[in-house]
Amino acid sequence: DGGITQSPKYLFRKEGQNVTLSCEQNLNHDAMYWYRQDPGQGLRLIYYSQIVNDFQKGDIAEGYSVSREKKESFPLTVTSAQKNPTAFYLCASSMGIRDRNPLHFGNGTRLTVT
Amino acid sequence: GESVGLHLPTLSVQEGDNSIINCAYSNSASDYFIWYKQESGKGPQFIIDIRSNMDKRQGQRVTVLLNKTVKHLSLQIAATQPGDSAVYFCAEGYYGQNFVFGPGTRLSVLP
Repeated sequence: DGGITQSPKYLFRKEGQNVTLSCEQNLNHDAMYWYRQDPGQGLRLIYYSQIVNDFQKGDIAEGYSVSREKKESFPLTVTSAQKNPTAFYLCASSMGIRDRNPLHFGNGTRLTVT
Repeated sequence: GESVGLHLPTLSVQEGDNSIINCAYSNSASDYFIWYKQESGKGPQFIIDIRSNMDKRQGQRVTVLLNKTVKHLSLQIAATQPGDSAVYFCAEGYYGQNFVFGPGTRLSVLP
């Protein structure tokens, strides 16, 4: 089945450590996105990518970094500079960038930093 | 499970009744809208979408209504089932802009 795979489902880190969240898609979508979800809030965009080797900052990019070396993969690194990293992180993809096509989401990674 | 549903408005309905979930969107320029369903511990799942040239669109047991005059979107679920229990949220967008997501409503189906 086509879809988006995020791993791991749960991740625990100590404060001050960088951590990388994996996102892989086999939908052949050009666009990929990372969102952060906090209780009681709408999804907030961290980074997005339209094509390989290109990506743009979203609304809350500070403390995060991404890469897009392959069409299928869009890993997110949460750096020690992110002040409040504990959250639920969602990866998504779509056929086109910022157009009238729905986003397809993975099942998320719950990151807890202590 | 995930705590993403904390502090959200909750709609409780009896199994078999119809559910209506509302969403007020913010940008009058938005011309594409999506409803998502999110179960505990999972990612959002696409339910139905609608473009601004339509007022109503129907899917399997779901109907989305769009009122552009008051910038309001609703999702109607017919014959609500226990499996419909989840957080539902809307997204608005237009060409060239990233989607804006609402915080969601928790639907609780009572036996």
